Amino acid sequence: DGGITQSPKYLFRKEGQNVTLSCEQNLNHDAMYWYRQDPGQGLRLIYYSQIVNDFQKGDIAEGYSVSREKKESFPLTVTSAQKNPTAFYLCASSIETDTQYFGPGTRLTVL
Amino acid sequence: GESVGLHLPTLSVQEGDNSIINCAYSNSASDYFIWYKQESGKGPQFIIDIRSNMDKRQGQRVTVLLNKTVKHLSLQIAATQPGDSAVYFCAEKRRMVTGGGNKLTFGTGTQLKVEL
Repeated sequence: DGGITQSPKYLFRKEGQNVTLSCEQNLNHDAMYWYRQDPGQGLRLIYYSQIVNDFQKGDIAEGYSVSREKKESFPLTVTSAQKNPTAFYLCASSIETDTQYFGPGTRLTVL
Repeated sequence: GESVGLHLPTLSVQEGDNSIINCAYSNSASDYFIWYKQESGKGPQFIIDIRSNMDKRQGQRVTVLLNKTVKHLSLQIAATQPGDSAVYFCAEKRRMVTGGGNKLTFGTGTQLKVEL
């Protein structure tokens, strides 16, 4: 069963903590992306990776970090420097010039 | 259509009617457009796409129209069903200036409500 998986579905964080969101794909896609979605708004790009061991900042990278050690995996760490981390986080992947396909999302709440 | 801010525009239609969801895009250099459907608490689901060298594309019960002159995109859903109730986003794709790859820029979305 091919696709993109994200875990956990819900995540709670205390202020000052770093948390890591998982994103895995078995579609053999080279490119992977992380977006943030706030209520009533569109998606905003946090980071993206075109190929293993390479990634670039998106529009709102401050307070986030990523790694791309394997083609299948693109974890996102939300650090304590992110001032307003409560949001719905979406991971996507694509063949370079093709449509982006999204995972089911992780809802992060700061307590 | 699309709007800025926290309040999503809403389109209410009767079951069986046709729905038309509109989107204005910003960049004349965008060469590829995508419509996504997002149900509550889920990730966006690809519906249909269109390249800038086309003005119309049809799928199953859906049609996308592209008017490059006025930078306008629309999604038409035929015989709307209760399962079509969701938020619909348009996205425009452009090559990123630095770092390579493609960037999707999303509108804020339109909430489609299907009334029985």
